[in-house]
Amino acid sequence: QKEVEQDPGPLSVPEGAIVSLNCTYSNSAFQYFMWYRQYSRKGPELLMYTYSSGNKEDGRFTAQVDKSSKYISLFIRDSQPSDSATYLCAMSLPGGKLIFGQGTELSVKP
Amino acid sequence: EAGVAQSPRYKIIEKRQSVAFWCNPISGHATLYWYQQILGQGPKLLIQFQNNGVVDDSQLPKDRFSAERLKGVDSTLKIQPAKLEDSAVYLCASSLITGTEREKLFFGSGTQLSVL
Repeated sequence: QKEVEQDPGPLSVPEGAIVSLNCTYSNSAFQYFMWYRQYSRKGPELLMYTYSSGNKEDGRFTAQVDKSSKYISLFIRDSQPSDSATYLCAMSLPGGKLIFGQGTELSVKP
Repeated sequence: EAGVAQSPRYKIIEKRQSVAFWCNPISGHATLYWYQQILGQGPKLLIQFQNNGVVDDSQLPKDRFSAERLKGVDSTLKIQPAKLEDSAVYLCASSLITGTEREKLFFGSGTQLSVL
């Protein structure tokens, strides 16, 4: 069993849709939970960063962490074609090592 | 603020040849990482430096991969000899050393390596 599981998609939605991306994990030692966005031929860029269970909102993006269920989510409201990218969940172990999910490829159609 | 710089952007080599990648992190970032990202997968940590020292190289194939970070700034990653399965994007990232900022990684655009 992988430490971090993420549905690779691909996921295709119409512009304006609400997108839900999810990851599950097995290691209770994970401390910080992140979402990175990666455009084609670019490196990942940090999108959201959370520590505790609950929701964190930043504009059209909401990150949700449920430590009891070992489940994290990223919601994108009013999705735009510019949101088309691969979304990677990542979790950190004590000491700072990040474990990434496989990534979900998202396409938002105009 | 300048980002993480990597070169070259692309490299094509034949198996058993050697190759080297270069990375210049964001100024002031003490921690530097090399990740390998195989097509369709998430990045996998190869090695983590803090200043000049190695923090984690548990997933670095040391029989063929080597990395160094002289003077705590630039870093090079070398593969010798390369295998077909080394075809991937090699990403360099950096972060601050202190507290929660350590987990906020800034990535370069990567070097895409094709081994034929």
